Amino acid sequence: DIQMTQSPSSLSASVGDRVTITCRASQSISSYLNWYQQKPGRAPKFVIYAASSLQSGVPSRFSGSGSGTDFTLTISSLQPDDSATYYCQQSYRTPYTFGQGTKLEIK
Amino acid sequence: EAQLVESGGGLVQPGGSLRLSCAASGFSFSTYWMHWVRQTPGKGLVWVSRIKSDGSSTTYADSVKGRFTISRDNAKNTLYLQMNSLRAEDTAVYYCARDPDLYSSGRYYSFFESWGQGTLVTVSS
Repeated sequence: DIQMTQSPSSLSASVGDRVTITCRASQSISSYLNWYQQKPGRAPKFVIYAASSLQSGVPSRFSGSGSGTDFTLTISSLQPDDSATYYCQQSYRTPYTFGQGTKLEIK
Repeated sequence: EAQLVESGGGLVQPGGSLRLSCAASGFSFSTYWMHWVRQTPGKGLVWVSRIKSDGSSTTYADSVKGRFTISRDNAKNTLYLQMNSLRAEDTAVYYCARDPDLYSSGRYYSFFESWGQGTLVTVSS
């Protein structure tokens, strides 16, 4: 199975900050990397597919980059509503696997 | 707007069975791949199974292979997960998710575009 590792596991940042979350795959997955946002008690919400393609309706402050084994999710100017746990997920090969999550808190 | 509503979760004893349902509305269900994903506090999100739009192909995680069966009824716009020989480690919130298997730039991309609200399965004596 392809292992996905996110860093950091948690972070705290202020409104307006630029935030970057990293996701690393245990082998090359080309650009088959997706990002999700999950708030407590809610289902995950799809944010980015194919490493860098933003889902319709997602604010443009969110962006994704990377290919191969190393990927990043960036929030250019953090907003209070961005407080959530973020997960990366590979769709290169089944079993599809997720990172362990990054909990983002607003200071 | 696409809507997915899971049902069928509950408390079941180890070794027991349960069937989850996922009712779809607001989109053309028969044109989408569908998945089950589960979540436990300790292990995060775990992909369980997928089924092709016409039901002709299914795939399972090793942890559930031989015990779980995914199926769909496109006439009823409903996805199912039959869970047999349940174990304590199957305890989780189970989500169904829609996958457009999007064709872009010469490739097909799979992702979980819409999710249900989840249904809790507890396996305990």
